[in-house]
Amino acid sequence: DAGVIQSPRHEVTEMGQEVTLRCKPISGHNSLFWYRQTMMRGLELLIYFNNNVPIDDSGMPEDRFSAKMPNASFSTLKIQPSEPRDSAVYFCASSQVDTQYFGPGTRLTVL
Amino acid sequence: DAKTTQPPSMDCAEGRAANLPCNHSTISGNEYVYWYRQIHSQGPQYIIHGLKNNETNEMASLIITEDRKSSTLILPHATLRDTAVYYCIVRVATGNQFYFGTGTSLTVIP
Repeated sequence: DAGVIQSPRHEVTEMGQEVTLRCKPISGHNSLFWYRQTMMRGLELLIYFNNNVPIDDSGMPEDRFSAKMPNASFSTLKIQPSEPRDSAVYFCASSQVDTQYFGPGTRLTVL
Repeated sequence: DAKTTQPPSMDCAEGRAANLPCNHSTISGNEYVYWYRQIHSQGPQYIIHGLKNNETNEMASLIITEDRKSSTLILPHATLRDTAVYYCIVRVATGNQFYFGTGTSLTVIP
C-alpha cells in the first residue's frame, strides 16, 4: 500500500501566484481531509470530503482557498492569489471509517 | 476546539517505558480517544485508539480510566526514534473531524 500521496513535496512561489496542491488518498478510503500546520497555530483542519462531497469547509481561511475532489482518487487544494502568510505545511489525510492516515505533506513557502 | 489537555514536554530514558498522560474530562460516552505522533517534518502517524477498554498493539498500550476522564499512552521500551510530538485527540461524535491540540513533545534520552 503506497499510503497517501501528496505533490509537490516542496513549493516556493511568489506572492500573488496561484498554487495548487495535490493529494491521492489511499484506495478504498471514502473520506479525505486537508490540514495546515504552522508554528503559531499548530495543526488545523481546513476542509474534509466524504464520498467526494465537501462536508465541512469551516476551516478554510478565506475565499482565496478552494478545494475540489473530482473523483475518489484525487483532490486539490488551490490558493489564488497566494500570500506570505499562507506559508505552512499542508497535509492531506484519508480514512475509511474513523482512523485517519496522513500523507508526507507539502511545504509551501510564499515569498 | 481541542478537548484534551497534555503536558507540553516530557523526557524518557532510552529503554524505559514512556507514560504520556492526557486529560479529557468532558468526553462524551460515544467519543473515542485517539493517539497520533508526529516525528519532525513528517505527517502525523496513527498509534492507537480506544473507547472504554484498555488497548494494546505493536506500537503501544492505551490505558483509559474507568470514568474515561483521562488516559495514558504507554510506549513500553522507548527508543531514540520515538522522539516526537504525541497528540491525544477526542474524536467528535457527530462527525469524523480530528482537532489536534498542542500535544506533548517527548524526548528520548540516550
